[in-house]
Amino acid sequence: NAGVMQNPRHLVRRRGQEARLRCSPMKGHSHVYWYRQLPEEGLKFMVYLQKENIIDESGMPKERFSAEFPKEGPSILRIQQVVRGDSAAYFCASSPSAGPQPQHFGDGTRLSIL
Amino acid sequence: AQSVTQLDSHVSVSEGTPVLLRCNYSSSYSPSLFWYVQHPNKGLQLLLKYTSAATLVKGINGFEAEFKKSETSFHLTKPSAHMSDAAEYFCVVSDTEYGNKLVFGAGTILRVKS
Repeated sequence: NAGVMQNPRHLVRRRGQEARLRCSPMKGHSHVYWYRQLPEEGLKFMVYLQKENIIDESGMPKERFSAEFPKEGPSILRIQQVVRGDSAAYFCASSPSAGPQPQHFGDGTRLSIL
Repeated sequence: AQSVTQLDSHVSVSEGTPVLLRCNYSSSYSPSLFWYVQHPNKGLQLLLKYTSAATLVKGINGFEAEFKKSETSFHLTKPSAHMSDAAEYFCVVSDTEYGNKLVFGAGTILRVKS
């Protein structure tokens, strides 16, 4: 009964490259959330997706960032033309439905930009 | 907008002594509140949740928290600290009445001395 699976655990990119972060939610969960944790800060909401739909992207930067959750396969957080300030830990969480319930978190992807 | 303030960025206790991690929240409706723990380079684990049932909430590993509406507080306590409790703790409130995204406090790092 696997939990939320994120890969890769660590990702190194040079400035200007693209970063793709993947998240497979817990079995039976169709709601996915992405959060970003900058050094010595709490997590900040980025985007909330349900299968094939973006429900809330109010926390996403306006440029270079996109997210998807296709009918088949994991959710993808894509960062184009990365910059040093994108260095952070990116966490994915999932829940079985909407509503005020706990979200289950993956171990995160640590993104480092050279 | 909902927000969370964790009053201490660092707390240090001796093993076997009580733990108190303080959290105040602001919310325009009856909130759902959570405490999560994060060990180094790991994801977040849910300790406990409050969703408008009993005001004293018991969680895992001997932790509990009390919801006090009059004080807008949700402090986390444990009667006796263990070395394995050393980690970072986050107080979290659901951002909307539908709980579709979480708002995190800045975190409290708990240090346990032997």
